[in-house]
Amino acid sequence: EAGVAQSPRYKIIEKRQSVAFWCNPISGHATLYWYQQILGQGPKLLIQFQNNGVVDDSQLPKDRFSAERLKGVDSTLKIQPAKLEDSAVYLCASSLGQGYETQYFGPGTRLLVL
Amino acid sequence: AQTVTQSQPEMSVQEAETVTLSCTYDTSESDYYLFWYKQPPSRQMILVIRQEAYKQQNATENRFSVNFQKAAKSFSLKISDSQLGDAAMYFCACLQYGNKLVFGAGTILRVKS
Repeated sequence: EAGVAQSPRYKIIEKRQSVAFWCNPISGHATLYWYQQILGQGPKLLIQFQNNGVVDDSQLPKDRFSAERLKGVDSTLKIQPAKLEDSAVYLCASSLGQGYETQYFGPGTRLLVL
Repeated sequence: AQTVTQSQPEMSVQEAETVTLSCTYDTSESDYYLFWYKQPPSRQMILVIRQEAYKQQNATENRFSVNFQKAAKSFSLKISDSQLGDAAMYFCACLQYGNKLVFGAGTILRVKS
């Protein structure tokens, strides 16, 4: 069974530029998550989708971050404009559904904002 | 709000020896799950072990086992016969209903040959 796929793996941009990350969850997984992991810290949830609807985006900085999950499968996370403090690893995860489902993570995208 | 605390920023173990990583958590929920994830330098978050709070029996996965003390809200991970490939950052996490997963700050495990 294929795992969670993410691209790109690495991205370097200058501040005020825009960037987009892509995630493809495990087949059949209805719930998709985006986490931000700053160096030396644990991951923090940015947004959670159930199929193509948003369940929780309370920690998403909506003035610069946006995310969508069209057709309830793939998802993209966008940052526009990027700030220095956005430098982090962005992890995508998926689970079968809601409740107490185990989350499986992708390899992450490492973003460096200069 | 739930919190997860890992008080050991870094631990070292000799190859083939046993090491225990500590974790405490706080939640107001009666039902929840606890996890240990491993994150090697590649940054891929890998599930190590999962414990259901309603189960008294401690979970075990090969060389990995947990000591779950529900009353004390403690959830430690024991790694037996440590291997060089076990070197990584280890995260303790608590999952509440609705898939709200909260992570601790992590413990770096170094394995010496």
